[in-house]
Order: sequence, then structure tokens, then C-alpha cells
Amino acid sequence: QSVLAQPPSVSGAPGQRVTISCTGSGSNLGAQYDVHWYQQFPGTAPKLLIYRNKNRPSGVPDRFSASKSGSSASLAITGLQPEDEADYYCQSYDSTLSGHVFGTGTKVTVL
Amino acid sequence: QVQLVQSGAEVKKPGASVKVSCKASGYTFLDYDVNWVRQAAGQGPEWVGWINPKDGETGYAQKFQGRVTMTRDTSITTAFMELRGLRPDDTAVYYCATLTEYDYCDHWGQGTQVTVSS
Repeated sequence: QSVLAQPPSVSGAPGQRVTISCTGSGSNLGAQYDVHWYQQFPGTAPKLLIYRNKNRPSGVPDRFSASKSGSSASLAITGLQPEDEADYYCQSYDSTLSGHVFGTGTKVTVL
Repeated sequence: QVQLVQSGAEVKKPGASVKVSCKASGYTFLDYDVNWVRQAAGQGPEWVGWINPKDGETGYAQKFQGRVTMTRDTSITTAFMELRGLRPDDTAVYYCATLTEYDYCDHWGQGTQVTVSS
């Protein structure tokens, strides 16, 4: 029942740049609610990666960047590293559902 | 440092209830809402609801209304989530997380596996 759509998977060789899209609608991203991004490794809790559209918490490498425009957002990983292989989720607020919503998730594979 | 430590794994039969706890430390418990999120195997996270530890105000996802209750005990800086009428599709890892004023979760518990099976 995710209302934020993400590609199921993206892949790239070490050092390459990959992007992950997050597509919402007028009741979430398009309503100017912020988007946030999480990284999750198997068997562990999600970890905050980007908050409020484009901000990195301390300790997150600057090869992670993000942006938002209208009803869509994107996360970019430049200089892809083997340790970036994980699942990535976007998250926002939805006014129709009156609650938080997560993206469908994207698995990043480092070739 | 901020820590959220959750209770252990639970196995329940359909129709039963489960109560998961989330012990907070390393910050002022009253300052941040606690969010509850669940994640079924191979699926993305799903928001369950939140509680304001200061006044106990709650907000629940529509699909859980009537089946979930979130409470807190400020004397032990612990939040609780109780889910009733369990079904097999409630099988998931349940996480608590601190919720900032900008609606993102910056610290997460380790998760509690809840398995519903006859």
C-alpha cells in the first residue's frame, strides 16, 4: 500500500553514479511535504540517510546527495562503494492518509 | 548517546494480542514523539502510529485504528505498542523510532519480531 513509488533495483560498478527516484502525488511530495531517505542493511533497522529533502546527518558520506522537485525526489550516490549495497527507502507525510508513508524501496547492487 | 531498546521476539496465535516495549535513554524522553513502524519480510516499512510522551497524544494509521493502542510510562522512559486481533499478515518486525518535528525518524530501536501463527 506504498504511495511513494521507487524502482525495485538499481546497480552500478564501483565508482559509478546511481540515482534512485521517489515519485509521489499531490497529497504528499506535491503538497510540499519534505522527503527523507533511509538506508537499510539486511537484518538491521533503517538508518536515516537524508532528512528534509537534501540534508545529511553527521557521519553520512558526502557521496550521498538528494533533491526534490514537485511530486518527485531523487537520491544520488556518486563514487559508488561496495558498502553502499543496501535497500533505500524514501519517506514523507501524506495529508489524505493523515500519516507517514514510505516508498516501495530500491535495492542497490554494486557490480 | 540515544538508545532505543525494544523487547524480545514474540510468537502469538491468531486473535491474540501483543505488547511491544521501547525503552529510551540518552535524551530527554518527553522531547520527541515515538513513532512505530513495521516491516514484513521482503517488504518496505509501514507506518503504524506515533505517541507524544509528554501528554500521551497518539495518532494511528487508518488501517490499524481500533486494533492498536500506544501508551507510555514516563517514569521508566518507555513507550509501548499493543496490537490486538492478530492475524498472520501482522507477522513483521516492529520498530520504534524517535520522530522529529519535521516528521523523520532519526534514531531507531533494534526491532522486535512478532510472528503470528497457529
